[in-house]
Amino acid sequence: SYVLTQPPSVSVAPGQTARITCGENNIGSKAVNWYQQRPGQAPVLVVYDDSDRPSGIPDRISGSNSGNTATLTISRVEAGDEADYYCQVWESSSDQYVFGTGTKVTVL
Amino acid sequence: QVTLKESGPVLVKPTETLTLTCSVSGFSLSNDGMGVSWIRQPPGKALEWLAHIFSSDEKSYNTSLKSRLTISKDTSKSQVVLTMTNMDPMDTATYHCVAATWYYFEYWGQGTLVSVSS
Repeated sequence: SYVLTQPPSVSVAPGQTARITCGENNIGSKAVNWYQQRPGQAPVLVVYDDSDRPSGIPDRISGSNSGNTATLTISRVEAGDEADYYCQVWESSSDQYVFGTGTKVTVL
Repeated sequence: QVTLKESGPVLVKPTETLTLTCSVSGFSLSNDGMGVSWIRQPPGKALEWLAHIFSSDEKSYNTSLKSRLTISKDTSKSQVVLTMTNMDPMDTATYHCVAATWYYFEYWGQGTLVSVSS
């Protein structure tokens, strides 16, 4: 089965850049979506189709996808970016939606 | 404005069947490209996709849970229903109803916490 591997945690100082990876063999051939989940809240879509942002999502948040790794980048990190982040794909070979293992971003 | 609201029991006993209802507004369940999934999250754990129903009425299920799940919709009532049989304490989780635009989850319900205990 398809497994999307994320680092359990990423720590970053305010104003710096956080990068969250999502790995799987040939993930670059799929469209990757990313969600932010703040404590006690429902997830929010922050990036879709690898690098597009829904309206209202700041351009400090960006996505890329190539080869075996997709990456969510948060520039100029703020305290409000502290949250769990999940990647997600549609696995067409098995008609399954798949989520990554999740990454907790801590702002130091 | 798209909204989704989950309803159902907060507590079920082991071996019982869980039935959850998602009431949607702001879009039609027959809109091409739109579908509804159920996604759950055990306390302190990651998101897990359970089932999806497309506008065409085609359905997809998590392979590991497929034998226990049934998803259906009533377009006239704007409702999507999920049933999960043979509930176990490991199924304790917040269950979210989510509207998908093609293959990404754009609109999330707040979720409903379901506990499984005798």
